[in-house]
Amino acid sequence: AQRVTQPEKLLSVFKGAPVELKCNYSYSGSPELFWYVQYSRQRLQLLLRHISRESIKGFTADLNKGETSFHLKKPFAQEEDSAMYYCALFDDYKLSFGAGTTVTVRA
Amino acid sequence: SAVISQKPSRDICQRGTSLTIQCQVDSQVTMMFWYRQQPGQSLTLIATANQGSEATYESGFVIDKFPISRPNLTFSTLTVSNMSPEDSSIYLCSSMMGADTQYFGPGTRLTVL
Repeated sequence: AQRVTQPEKLLSVFKGAPVELKCNYSYSGSPELFWYVQYSRQRLQLLLRHISRESIKGFTADLNKGETSFHLKKPFAQEEDSAMYYCALFDDYKLSFGAGTTVTVRA
Repeated sequence: SAVISQKPSRDICQRGTSLTIQCQVDSQVTMMFWYRQQPGQSLTLIATANQGSEATYESGFVIDKFPISRPNLTFSTLTVSNMSPEDSSIYLCSSMMGADTQYFGPGTRLTVL
């Protein structure tokens, strides 16, 4: 069963515009959620964890249990934000990944 | 965070052969994981490799096809056996750091002809 859903396969925004990547999850109990990012020709790397409530590279993500969502947001996109973004659910030491969203930031 | 390396970074193999992928972590870790990323797809967990015990495979993956070794706390191997073109994927290893965070290797891009 699909546990993590990223409905947008592709997302294109202009530099300086806000960007929001959607992530919905299916999980009973308190979820642990992550966002991972993969820049061109680089390895998959951790962007942020919901539990630490941090802002990394200007990105934030808020867990909304009522809507079972963990959307990733940035108020002003930069060209270097162009990458593939994956939402992931941690359960029993394993990660379940969403399908990923490719973000292109245009000048 | 951990520094994770994989060998080879890519390979092109013939149908019916086997390839062993190595994963090295720069610190001792209890849990290591192997994922597959098929073309245009997301990451799918193949198995969890703990030192001193048999690997635990996810549904759809079997030991005969993907044997895994974990001889110590910094190293693991994944073998893709009797390969077919459907095995063409990127194979990634990861390690668990802390209670819930995984860090990934650079991946091995496998093409089976």
